[in-house]
Amino acid sequence: DAGVIQSPRHEVTEMGQEVTLRCKPISGHNSLFWYRQTMMRGLELLIYFNNNVPIDDSGMPEDRFSAKMPNASFSTLKIQPSEPRDSAVYFCASSLERTGATQYFGPGTRLTVL
Amino acid sequence: AQKVTQAQTEISVVEKEDVTLDCVYETRDTTYYLFWYKQPPSGELVFLIRRNSFDEQNEISGRYSWNFQKSTSSFNFTITASQVVDSAVYFCALNRLTDKLIFGTGTRLQVFP
Repeated sequence: DAGVIQSPRHEVTEMGQEVTLRCKPISGHNSLFWYRQTMMRGLELLIYFNNNVPIDDSGMPEDRFSAKMPNASFSTLKIQPSEPRDSAVYFCASSLERTGATQYFGPGTRLTVL
Repeated sequence: AQKVTQAQTEISVVEKEDVTLDCVYETRDTTYYLFWYKQPPSGELVFLIRRNSFDEQNEISGRYSWNFQKSTSSFNFTITASQVVDSAVYFCALNRLTDKLIFGTGTRLQVFP
């Protein structure tokens, strides 16, 4: 079975540009998570969805960040406008909708904002 | 407060040595779940094990073993006869009765030939 799919794997952009990261969860999984990993802050949960509905977005850094899940098989994380401090690896993960379910991670998108 | 502490920032061993990665957690909940993930140099996060708070049995999977002790709030991970391919960052994580995973800061393991 295919795992979590993320695209692009690498993104280099200039400050001020819009960036869109994409994620396809594992088929049948009801929960989807967006994480950011940096050396300084480690792994941070940005937002998560249950059944396509955002449940907790308290980790979203600021209004420049937005996430959507229009259907069960697709989610986007958008940064507009991007800033150099947004440079990080962004992971998407999915799990079955049940307490304590294992989260399976995608390969990540390495974002560099110049 | 919920917290996961991995006090060992980096460990270096020579191949075939046994190595234990420590994980200490804090939670007031009686029901929770603990996880270990591996992040090799390629960058992906690979799930290794999930354990619920009611199951204190140790688990062994090949060269990997896990020791869960509620009395000390620890969930330690041992690699027996380490190999170069075990070189990675290993994360311990806690999940309470929510969907949120609380990660430790990770332990970087370097296995030298």
